[in-house]
Amino acid sequence: EAGVAQSPRYKIIEKRQSVAFWCNPISGHATLYWYQQILGQGPKLLIQFQNNGVVDDSQLPKDRFSAERLKGVDSTLKIQPAKLEDSAVYLCASSPWGLDAEQFFGPGTRLTVL
Amino acid sequence: AQTVTQSQPEMSVQEAETVTLSCTYDTSESNYYLFWYKQPPSRQMILVIRQEAYKQQNATENRFSVNFQKAAKSFSLKISDSQLGDTAMYFCAFMKRPDGGATNKLIFGTGTLLAVQP
Repeated sequence: EAGVAQSPRYKIIEKRQSVAFWCNPISGHATLYWYQQILGQGPKLLIQFQNNGVVDDSQLPKDRFSAERLKGVDSTLKIQPAKLEDSAVYLCASSPWGLDAEQFFGPGTRLTVL
Repeated sequence: AQTVTQSQPEMSVQEAETVTLSCTYDTSESNYYLFWYKQPPSRQMILVIRQEAYKQQNATENRFSVNFQKAAKSFSLKISDSQLGDTAMYFCAFMKRPDGGATNKLIFGTGTLLAVQP
C-alpha cells in the first residue's frame, strides 16, 4: 500500500512570495490533516478535512493560508504572502474512517522563507 | 484545552540498554488516546505505540512499552534493548476520543531527541 505522498520535499522562497504544497493521501482515507512543525516544536494542526469538507481550521491563519481538498482526495495548502515565521516543515497525514483510526504521515515539505 | 509536556529535550543511551522517555499531559477529558510517535531524520512520522485511557493495562509493542498513570497524567515510554535504528525524535501525543467516525487532531509535545550510541 502506497503511503502519503507530498511534494515538493523542499522549498525556498523570499518573504511576501507565494507557495503551494500538495498532498496525496492513502487511497480510501476519508480524513486528511495538515500540520505545521516549526523547528524545536511538535507538529500543530492547521486544518482537518473530512472527505472534502473542513472539520477544524481554528488554527489556520486565514489571512494568508488557504487549503482545499477537491473531490475528497488530493489536497493543496497555499501560503500567500509568506512571512519569515512560516519557515517550518508542513506535514500531511491521513486516516481511514473509524474511531480508532491511526493517522499516517507523509515525509513533509520543508519550507524556508528568506 | 489539552497540553502535552516532554521535559527531556535530548537523551542518550548505549546500544542494548534500556531508556525511558517521559511525558505528562493535562486534560479535563475522560475519554482519550495517548500515543508515542517516532520521527527519524528522514522526517516520516511513525506510530510506535498507542494507549486508550479507559484501559488499565499498559500497552506493549515488542521492545516498546508504556507506563500509563492516569491519575498522575503521566505517560512514559520504555525502550528495551535499544538499537541504533531507534535513534530519532520521539513525540508524545494526545487525542480526544472521537464522538463520531472521524478521528480528532493530535496534540503533540515538543519531542525528545534520542541518540543510541554504539
